[in-house]
Amino acid sequence: GAGVSQSPSNKVTEKGKDVELRCDPISGHTALYWYRQSLGQGLEFLIYFQGNSAPDKSGLPSDRFSAERTGGSVSTLTIQRTQQEDSAVYLCASSLAPGLAGGQETQYFGPGTRLLVL
Amino acid sequence: GQQVMQIPQYQHVQEGEDFTTYCNSSTTLSNIQWYKQRPGGHPVFLIQLVKSGEVKKQKRLTFQFGEAKKNSSLHITATQTTDVGTYFCAGRRDSNYQLIWGAGTKLIIKP
Repeated sequence: GAGVSQSPSNKVTEKGKDVELRCDPISGHTALYWYRQSLGQGLEFLIYFQGNSAPDKSGLPSDRFSAERTGGSVSTLTIQRTQQEDSAVYLCASSLAPGLAGGQETQYFGPGTRLLVL
Repeated sequence: GQQVMQIPQYQHVQEGEDFTTYCNSSTTLSNIQWYKQRPGGHPVFLIQLVKSGEVKKQKRLTFQFGEAKKNSSLHITATQTTDVGTYFCAGRRDSNYQLIWGAGTKLIIKP
């Protein structure tokens, strides 16, 4: 597709349930990022995939959070045993490989998944 | 760890007034990017600065990267209602690290 897509756009779940959020990056983008944004707040980095390198998981808030990127393309963010404080918008972004010049590191964001944990 | 501090958190201006947001990094950056997020939307890339002392302009927006490559600013001249949103800076130490984001400055136009 032309841009980054995410699904579902909205997710309401009950506390304790697991959820999976999906991100389809722009074709050819080797870098993929997951962020979390609570209402009115800034972006909280969660995880970063770059090509075949080991992902940077330094932003994951707890071991309930995990992410995969299959075949260097689609990524899934999984939250196990959801808590109310997990409620937020989860944003995915992709870019060409970092370290390139000329603005090619631009991150293109998807529309986000709005997660509400009741 | 590396931090990027962005101030102010909010700025209320009358339409037609100027607006400025500042970012400061605890470490030297290889580049800095600026993004705009409209209410209810997702961040959209505005510009990337790479060179020490670089200044770039986009119509009423002026972006600067400090000589030491540790700070940056975004200045909007004569704000318009279409400028409303949150402006984020994001810096990268080098290609081995992910972007470090500022907390954003929310531009609010007073009625």
